[in-house]
Amino acid sequence: GAVVSQHPSWVICKSGTSVKIECRSLDFQATTMFWYRQFPKQSLMLMATSNEGSKATYEQGVEKDKFLINHASLTLSTLTVTSAHPEDSSFYICSARDSSGEGGYTFGSGTRLTVV
Amino acid sequence: AQSVTQPDIHITVSEGASLELRCNYSYGATPYLFWYVQSPGQGLQLLLKYFSGDTLVQGIKGFEAEFKRSQSSFNLRKPSVHWSDAAEYFCAVTTGGGNKLTFGTGTQLKVEL
Repeated sequence: GAVVSQHPSWVICKSGTSVKIECRSLDFQATTMFWYRQFPKQSLMLMATSNEGSKATYEQGVEKDKFLINHASLTLSTLTVTSAHPEDSSFYICSARDSSGEGGYTFGSGTRLTVV
Repeated sequence: AQSVTQPDIHITVSEGASLELRCNYSYGATPYLFWYVQSPGQGLQLLLKYFSGDTLVQGIKGFEAEFKRSQSSFNLRKPSVHWSDAAEYFCAVTTGGGNKLTFGTGTQLKVEL
């Protein structure tokens, strides 16, 4: 079945630095990928929709200059958290539309970001 | 805009007992509905989905869900819970294949041995 690989699984960075998270579709082409943020014991909040070859669509309240999304190929989308601060610490999850045509979505295993 | 409500934040059941997790949605047309499970620190695994057709949907790990349009519900059920089912369960809805998912707040399932 469809597999989405997300790396790294966890990262610790210093305040003010940038961190890049990768999301790859391993056995299918994903024209659209989604980036979510999840706070402890809370639900997933959609941050942005990433479209291959075009600009991402950000949800209201998400800073596009802080959370840079690039979807340069049909199998790779990246989320870069720029000038990270402790309040950016969270669990970030990507997903891709299943290419089976059945309308499902496959999720990555998530990235735990801790900013110190 | 669509929305999803999971009324139960926490549920505790004994191993071997039956389980029902509630999910109500708000959307004008027929929604695409999903149930996902998440273990701590992990991504989401799809249990089952409903797009159309038979309103009783079978999923993995012995789970099933029933779409009831009249009640705007898509409750998840399992006849006999196993200790390994302890996890967070999310109901989600989208308006069409490929569109963004809206998640409920989740239900934390605890299984007592």
